[in-house]
Amino acid sequence: GAVVSQHPSRVICKSGTSVKIECRSLDFQATTMFWYRQFPKKSLMLMATSNEGSKATYEQGVEKDKFLINHASLTLSTLTVTSAHPEDSSFYICSARDWGRANYGYTFGSGTRLTVV
Amino acid sequence: GQQVMQIPQYQHVQEGEDFTTYCNSSTTLSNIQWYKQRPGGHPVFLIQLVKSGEVKKQKRLTFQFGEAKKNSSLHITATQTTDVGTYFCAGRDGGSQGNLIFGKGTKLSVKP
Repeated sequence: GAVVSQHPSRVICKSGTSVKIECRSLDFQATTMFWYRQFPKKSLMLMATSNEGSKATYEQGVEKDKFLINHASLTLSTLTVTSAHPEDSSFYICSARDWGRANYGYTFGSGTRLTVV
Repeated sequence: GQQVMQIPQYQHVQEGEDFTTYCNSSTTLSNIQWYKQRPGGHPVFLIQLVKSGEVKKQKRLTFQFGEAKKNSSLHITATQTTDVGTYFCAGRDGGSQGNLIFGKGTKLSVKP
C-alpha cells in the first residue's frame, strides 16, 4: 500500500532554534501533502496544504512565517518550525493520498513529536 | 465553515460489549472516511463511504453513511482489547478534491 515516511520521529530543541520535519511519499507521487498538528488527547488540526511547485495554503490562524513549508518535489514536503517556542511543542503529522488508488484514504506519516525546551 | 462533530468523546466498555461512535457534519459531504489511531501511533485509514445510505462491513466493524450524506456511524460488535484507540471520522466537502475535516475523535477503552 501507499507509504508515507516522516522524519524525525522525535526531536528536542532549544527555544529560538529551527526544526525541519520531512515527509516523503515512498511509492507514489504526491502533488499535495497535508500537515497536521495534534495536541494531547485532541483531534487533528490541519495546518496547511503543501503543493508541489507552488506556495502552500495555510489554514486560518496558522502563521506562515513561523511554519515554513516547502514542497520541492513530487515525493517530498518539509515543514520547518522557525524560532521555536515551548508552545510549539506538539505532535506534527503529515499525510498524502495516492490518487492512483481509487478507494484509499489518506496515508499518514508516523508523526514527529516536537519538544521545545 | 464546515464542521464535523463526533460523539461521544470517550467510551469505556467491557470486553464483549458493543460500541458505536457517531459523526455529524454541518454540510453535505461528498464522502466520509474513518481512521483509527492507536495510543502513541498515527491515524490509519479504515474505510471510505461515498454513496448515500451506504453500509460497509469489515469483520466486526460496520460503517454507515446517512441518506442525506451528513452523518455517519461506526459500530463495533463484541469489542476486543485490540479495538482500543481513538476513532476519527473525516468528511470531505467541496468535491473529491476538498480537504478532509476531522472530527474530534472517540477514544475507546476496553476493559478485559
